[in-house]
Amino acid sequence: GAGVSQSPSNKVTEKGKDVELRCDPISGHTALYWYRQSLGQGLEFLIYFQGNSAPDKSGLPSDRFSAERTGGSVSTLTIQRTQQEDSAVYLCASSLEVDSYNEQFFGPGTRLTVL
Amino acid sequence: EDQVTQSPEALRLQEGESSSLNCSYTVSGLRGLFWYRQDPGKGPEFLFTLYSAGEEKEKERLKATLTKKESFLHITAPKPEDSATYLCAVRPGNQFYFGTGTSLTVIP
Repeated sequence: GAGVSQSPSNKVTEKGKDVELRCDPISGHTALYWYRQSLGQGLEFLIYFQGNSAPDKSGLPSDRFSAERTGGSVSTLTIQRTQQEDSAVYLCASSLEVDSYNEQFFGPGTRLTVL
Repeated sequence: EDQVTQSPEALRLQEGESSSLNCSYTVSGLRGLFWYRQDPGKGPEFLFTLYSAGEEKEKERLKATLTKKESFLHITAPKPEDSATYLCAVRPGNQFYFGTGTSLTVIP
């Protein structure tokens, strides 16, 4: 596709369940970023990938959060044992390379609601 | 510590009433300042990248400028369709740091 895609667009889950969020970046973009946006808050950086490698995981809020990227393309963000405070919009972005001056292009986001 | 502050938090303008949004930043080695527009329920849409002090970029009614401490997004004769949240981000390294945005409402 022409842009970054994310799925699902909405996810409602019960507290304690695991969820997987998917991001499909723009073709040819080697850098991929995950952010979280809570109501009324700015974008909170979670993690970035250069290719399949994630050199900086410092933004992940807790060890319940993990992310992987395979084949230098699709990425999955997994949240285990979800909590109500995990409710937010999770945004994915991609850019040509991490070590460059290129801008990021964002997907539409996944709205996660934990009941 | 790298940080970004945007002001005002919210701005209401009459159609045709020009104004400016501010993005103040503190970073160790700027590798770019980015402006995005975000509509409700959507991901941010890229507008501009500025790399060095004195640089300016324009797109339709929007003009972005950059100094060593801040950036301005000037909106000339805004229209209702310009209503959105405008986000500023800085890149000191491989991460992007975003401000909390300015919510702009343009009243017909």
